Amino acid sequence: DADVTQTPRNRITKTGKRIMLECSQTKGHDRMYWYRQDPGLGLRLIYYSFDVKDINKGEISDGYSVSRQAQAKFSLSLESAIPNQTALYFCATSDLRQGKNTDTQYFGPGTRLTVL
Amino acid sequence: AQRVTQPEKLLSVFKGAPVELKCNYSYSGSPELFWYVQYSRQRLQLLLRHISRESIKGFTADLNKGETSFHLKKPFAQEEDSAMYYCALKDNTDKLIFGTGTRLQVFP
Repeated sequence: DADVTQTPRNRITKTGKRIMLECSQTKGHDRMYWYRQDPGLGLRLIYYSFDVKDINKGEISDGYSVSRQAQAKFSLSLESAIPNQTALYFCATSDLRQGKNTDTQYFGPGTRLTVL
Repeated sequence: AQRVTQPEKLLSVFKGAPVELKCNYSYSGSPELFWYVQYSRQRLQLLLRHISRESIKGFTADLNKGETSFHLKKPFAQEEDSAMYYCALKDNTDKLIFGTGTRLQVFP
């Protein structure tokens, strides 16, 4: 879905570097998520935000931080990248409005991060 | 504990054969379950949800509370069904818990 975009799409970096992955959405959704995908481990939730003032840790938040700059933007940072953070990272959005609960999550195209 | 288990990493079938991708869950309460699919070079997307009781692209999935399962089935696989399939459970804080995924390969 082109309404959820991620930048960069690919990134190679070195151990110890600070990296920021960005996610933008034009769907007007309140909720945003960051996942990482690893072979054999599936999708694991890193952080999520149910609105601009709400930030929550997911299953694997250690080594990561996030910023919800606006409803449409949710950034993921690796303060000091390490090789085991090499993975495919996905941003997703969903919508929960008064009187309407739509569970569907809409995913971005992913960012492939390699930490050397 | 809330958990989703997909026991098969890879499922290979020939075109026209029946397909069943297994999903078991652990949840105390009334579960809400979903199947997401990721085709090659495409985004992960919702395939179906158990509440809708719908058939999408010939796939169906029935919630079996007794067996705590939500297996995805299709009577006749097509080559275009080749993809990565994830079963997901909505937890008690409205987040999704994903299984580890099953790669379906359909050979001609």
